[in-house]
Amino acid sequence: GAGVSQSPSNKVTEKGKDVELRCDPISGHTALYWYRQSLGQGLEFLIYFQGNSAPDKSGLPSDRFSAERTGGSVSTLTIQRTQQEDSAVYLCASSTYDRIYGYTFGSGTRLTVV
Amino acid sequence: EDQVTQSPEALRLQEGESSSLNCSYTVSGLRGLFWYRQDPGKGPEFLFTLYSAGEEKEKERLKATLTKKESFLHITAPKPEDSATYLCAVQAVDTGRRALTFGSGTRLQVQP
Repeated sequence: GAGVSQSPSNKVTEKGKDVELRCDPISGHTALYWYRQSLGQGLEFLIYFQGNSAPDKSGLPSDRFSAERTGGSVSTLTIQRTQQEDSAVYLCASSTYDRIYGYTFGSGTRLTVV
Repeated sequence: EDQVTQSPEALRLQEGESSSLNCSYTVSGLRGLFWYRQDPGKGPEFLFTLYSAGEEKEKERLKATLTKKESFLHITAPKPEDSATYLCAVQAVDTGRRALTFGSGTRLQVQP
C-alpha cells in the first residue's frame, strides 16, 4: 500500500483481557518496528523485525508482550492480560533494509485499558 | 545508555517570528540523528537525517544543524501550519541495534 496501515485505530479493553494490534507495512519494506508512545512521553522502542525474524526484542516490557511477522509483511503485536499501564499509542514503522534516513510510521493504535 | 533531551517542551511563536528548537544527545557512537514532525493523532513524519558534526539540511522554512553534542532545528518565518510536535531521535553505531532513541519532543504553536 501507499503507507503503513495499522488497525484498529482505537481499542478499549478491560483489564486482564488479551489484545492484538495489526500492522501492514509498505510493500517491499523488509524492516518493521513497533514503538509505544505514552501521554507526554517520547517514543519507546519495543521490537524490530528484519523479514520474519526479530533480531532485537530488547524493548518488550514484559513477557505479556509478544509479536510476530509473517510472509515478511504483516505484523501482529499481542498483549496478554492487559494492565492499565499498557494504555498508550502503539506505533508501527517500516523501512527498506538499512534505510537509516527515516522510517515511515503508521498513525498508530490508541489502546485504552479500563 | 543513549539519551536525548529536547528543549523547550513547548514554544509559542507569532507568525513570522523565527526561533530554534534544541536537541541534546549522548550516544555511544552516532550513526544518525533524525528529526520528525508529529501532528495530533498521527504518526511521526520524517524530516531530516544528519550523520556528522557540521552537517546542515534544509527543507522549506526548516533547517537542521548538528554538532557533537546537540542538534538545532531552526524555523524561519514560521506559519500556523508549522504548528506540531517536533521529535528528535538518535541511532547508535551498534549495527545489531536498529532502534531509535527519541526525545520527548517540543510542542510548537504558531499563532497568526
